[in-house]
Amino acid sequence: EPEVTQTPSHQVTQMGQEVILRCVPISNHLYFYWYRQILGQKVEFLVSFYNNEISEKSEIFDDQFSVERPDGSNFTLKIRSTKLEDSAMYFCATKASREETQYFGPGTRLLVL
Amino acid sequence: EDQVTQSPEALRLQEGESSSLNCSYTVSGLRGLFWYRQDPGKGPEFLFTLYSAGEEKEKERLKATLTKKESFLHITAPKPEDSATYLCAVRAKRGSTLGRLYFGRGTQLTVWP
Repeated sequence: EPEVTQTPSHQVTQMGQEVILRCVPISNHLYFYWYRQILGQKVEFLVSFYNNEISEKSEIFDDQFSVERPDGSNFTLKIRSTKLEDSAMYFCATKASREETQYFGPGTRLLVL
Repeated sequence: EDQVTQSPEALRLQEGESSSLNCSYTVSGLRGLFWYRQDPGKGPEFLFTLYSAGEEKEKERLKATLTKKESFLHITAPKPEDSATYLCAVRAKRGSTLGRLYFGRGTQLTVWP
């Protein structure tokens, strides 16, 4: 069964460093999303992306965040200068056209020290 | 403001003891309501999508139902392997075509033998 994959599974970084989280969507899915989940809290929407453009972003997704699809297969989330409060699980999700269901990857656990 | 409230926060059941989880929502036009299962340290795993009041879907020991204000996830004769956090999410009709999901905090279900 096709599934969304994410790398790395864990990332530890120092405050102020840049991190790039990677996602490989389900093939034929063209709609992409990033969500995050701080430990013990709700899953929160960050950004949606289609046709090489951001469709919608939340108030969390400030100038420190960026997304791109660099090579037609990967979908990445970059945090330019990490803060302690960026520590969370980051989930990629993808969706097919004409469907509503979003399928989530296993997540990247980011720890900012 | 779109909101999703799940109850109870935690539920402990003996194996075979059926019960229901509740998801109450307020959203400006429901485009879809989604149930996911989340194991510790993992990504949300899709279970069901419901679109309109009166709709029901079943999968093994799980049955999801939808009204205009809430959804129930009924668990019949649960087994220990059903232990997980069950997440409810909604998508509103308004907003971008891609549709962000709003999640509840989840119900942590523990089934003991």
